[in-house]
Amino acid sequence: GQQVMQIPQYQHVQEGEDFTTYCNSSTTLSNIQWYKQRPGGHPVFLIQLVKSGEVKKQKRLTFQFGEAKKNSSLHITATQTTDVGTYFCADRDDKIIFGKGTRLHILP
Amino acid sequence: EPEVTQTPSHQVTQMGQEVILRCVPISNHLYFYWYRQILGQKVEFLVSFYNNEISEKSEIFDDQFSVERPDGSNFTLKIRSTKLEDSAMYFCASSSQTGRNSPLHFGNGTRLTVT
Repeated sequence: GQQVMQIPQYQHVQEGEDFTTYCNSSTTLSNIQWYKQRPGGHPVFLIQLVKSGEVKKQKRLTFQFGEAKKNSSLHITATQTTDVGTYFCADRDDKIIFGKGTRLHILP
Repeated sequence: EPEVTQTPSHQVTQMGQEVILRCVPISNHLYFYWYRQILGQKVEFLVSFYNNEISEKSEIFDDQFSVERPDGSNFTLKIRSTKLEDSAMYFCASSSQTGRNSPLHFGNGTRLTVT
């Protein structure tokens, strides 16, 4: 079945530093969605990417979809303590298959 | 903003007992899902449901599990004869349409502890 791999599994950054998580698939994705889960919380939808090479921004967050639609990335500029959580990419087909996520921890 | 609500927030049960986890999806949504998350691990798909029947289910969703939409608002997950390894957070989600363009809206989850 479809496998969505995400790296790194954990990331510790100083507050103010940038952060990037990468999502890779063995097969071409129809689209990809990103979710954020705060500690103790539930996944919350952030964004969807559909087109090859697509780039979308939400304030300090930049999302990219690869040209081959097999990979995606989320980049956070100048991290803040509110960015703490686990970021999941998800292959959006009729159901959603989540990657293992990247857990972001911010050091003050 | 409309929310998916789940009850109870925490359920403790003894091994071998049956539990029913309840969800009220967003009212105009048509597609419903159950996911589970074992502590510290990824969110795993269990089952999707549309038009009063299961659309798709994962390998995890074996005969021990069943889902039901008993009325116009509730969506339930029943686990028969619970096992220790069923301990996890169970998330209900709904979406307004399936396929490629709709996000999932998750509830706050039910933490199931099997002792």
